[in-house]
Amino acid sequence: NAGVTQTPKFQVLKTGQSMTLQCAQDMNHNSMYWYRQDPGMGLRLIYYSASEGTTDKGEVPNGYNVSRLNKREFSLRLESAAPSQTSVYFCASSEEAGVYGYTFGSGTRLTVV
Amino acid sequence: RKEVEQDPGPFNVPEGATVAFNCTYSNSASQSFFWYRQDCRKEPKLLMSVYSSGNEDGRFTAQLNRASQYISLLIRDSKLSDSATYLCVVNRGSYIPTFGRGTSLIVHP
Repeated sequence: NAGVTQTPKFQVLKTGQSMTLQCAQDMNHNSMYWYRQDPGMGLRLIYYSASEGTTDKGEVPNGYNVSRLNKREFSLRLESAAPSQTSVYFCASSEEAGVYGYTFGSGTRLTVV
Repeated sequence: RKEVEQDPGPFNVPEGATVAFNCTYSNSASQSFFWYRQDCRKEPKLLMSVYSSGNEDGRFTAQLNRASQYISLLIRDSKLSDSATYLCVVNRGSYIPTFGRGTSLIVHP
């Protein structure tokens, strides 16, 4: 039972490069989320998808795009990476967030130089 | 006032001690509440839900005080393995949860 799988686990980018972070869940959850976590800032929501076919901005969406490819997969794209996007990125999913809480992936540690 | 506030700590306690954390929230319309545990350089993991009637799981007890708008987590008989950051989560019934910044607990021998 894999739960939520994120790839890659680590990545170093140069300023201006692009990349896509992949996330897949095998729990048949409807909702999926992308967070970033920075020291002293806690978890901040970037984008979320309440159900297949929908996506919405969270607290810090600038510089990111997302795609809910199907019910299982929710990807996060950085079109032109900036040093301010150096962070740990977590994907999460939930069947019904208010009742069951969230299951997180193991994270992607991204450094932009 | 931040929507969800936690004392960052660290709370430094000896093994066997009882320790309690609070988490205050500002929106009285908040509907569901959770505690998560996050180990260093790992993902957050659900520890327990917080019900209106309280919730107990072994050494852990979570309580909700709606009148004063806070939730609490009590850990009895602390173990070294309880050392972690504890995050509270408040949900207003939408798809968007709000995370506290976490309280750090260090349990020493």
